[in-house]
Amino acid sequence: GESVGLHLPTLSVQEGDNSIINCAYSNSASDYFIWYKQESGKGPQFIIDIRSNMDKRQGQRVTVLLNKTVKHLSLQIAATQPGDSAVYFCAENGQAAGNKLTFGGGTRVLVKP
Amino acid sequence: SAVISQKPSRDICQRGTSLTIQCQVDSQVTMMFWYRQQPGQSLTLIATANQGSEATYESGFVIDKFPISRPNLTFSTLTVSNMSPEDSSIYLCSVVGASNEQFFGPGTRLTVL
Repeated sequence: GESVGLHLPTLSVQEGDNSIINCAYSNSASDYFIWYKQESGKGPQFIIDIRSNMDKRQGQRVTVLLNKTVKHLSLQIAATQPGDSAVYFCAENGQAAGNKLTFGGGTRVLVKP
Repeated sequence: SAVISQKPSRDICQRGTSLTIQCQVDSQVTMMFWYRQQPGQSLTLIATANQGSEATYESGFVIDKFPISRPNLTFSTLTVSNMSPEDSSIYLCSVVGASNEQFFGPGTRLTVL
């Protein structure tokens, strides 16, 4: 396997339980946030996004919560499955800065059967 | 979503040599970026690849080390010049889709001996 995620914080989750991954961002001017999933040997895969005029957005088995007051972002995965094992990154998209992404440090999720 | 391919998928190179990485997209895109992911780390933006003009580099990255070409709206190359072991990383291209989502290629895994 690849070395992505070797030094990242790890969240171990029992299959079927819910996962919550947290992310703090620093730029109060950021107006668009994205969660990516990166499996070993692959590029980041878009999961869900949220704009700064929202505080919650739901997708299929995933929910993103945005708290602009404390500059905190979370990703909730419902009924975690073995296929959810990956490294998860949050990213800020400064659209005023030309869609450049600033990535957070990442969290590795390990799903236990 | 855009389909992105990168060549080579991986390479092992000797220090002092250069490697050119190709990124091909299946549709025309306005914005294309190059990122670096060092072992066990998150992604860092290297530069924005501008079609028909010089790339825009982020702090800490220079054209002499990472020359970039973007001859059209579906293709870009990144060259890692005069490589050292510290350049061992995954190099990823990304594009911004019509709905403003950013998609990543599979990455090129470079090891410099």
